[in-house]
Amino acid sequence: AQSVSQHNHHVILSEAASLELGCNYSYGGTVNLFWYVQYPGQHLQLLLKYFSGDPLVKGIKGFEAEFIKSKFSFNLRKPSVQWSDTAEYFCAVNARNQGGKLIFGQGTELSVKP
Amino acid sequence: NAGVTQTPKFRVLKTGQSMTLLCAQDMNHEYMYWYRQDPGMGLRLIHYSVGEGTTAKGEVPDGYNVSRLKKQNFLLGLESAAPSQTSVYFCASRPPTSGGRTEAFFGQGTRLTVV
Repeated sequence: AQSVSQHNHHVILSEAASLELGCNYSYGGTVNLFWYVQYPGQHLQLLLKYFSGDPLVKGIKGFEAEFIKSKFSFNLRKPSVQWSDTAEYFCAVNARNQGGKLIFGQGTELSVKP
Repeated sequence: NAGVTQTPKFRVLKTGQSMTLLCAQDMNHEYMYWYRQDPGMGLRLIHYSVGEGTTAKGEVPDGYNVSRLKKQNFLLGLESAAPSQTSVYFCASRPPTSGGRTEAFFGQGTRLTVV
């Protein structure tokens, strides 16, 4: 069965610091990968997605993620965070031969200090 | 275009009561999902559906039932609510494509408290 693990539960950064959030999945087959963001009191919104091709994908608001197949990882990065990036971030995986099943990780809460 | 709409937004139930949460989408999506969100646990998949008339169990299906009688609606039922079902429930929908290369769209959530 597919599963997703986010190792950082709560990250606290100062503005302008660089960000990297880890995401690892356990599934040996072909996967689609996603990062979602949830701002306080809101629903989840898509940050970026990876289906195939260039393993470095760029999303909205300056976020990017790198798919490393050998490490089963899809880490999220941003060179310089802003206070407005304070939110909870979720990694999600859809294994292509498991139909529509979409599994999320535990989430990482990011707090950015002004 | 409303997207994904959840009803109700808030509800307080007594232990043992039953209720149904409604999710409606107007995007003609085939896939629909119910998740629960709990602190430190992320989003956990309860049930999902890959088309009208179909349902499948997710990671935490016990205590819940679902139905997808119409393509645009996905209902989540709690037959006998328990305090452990206190949570925020999110519905999502997603269009199907070859290989599942599509994103999910989420509703605003339903905050359920069972006392």
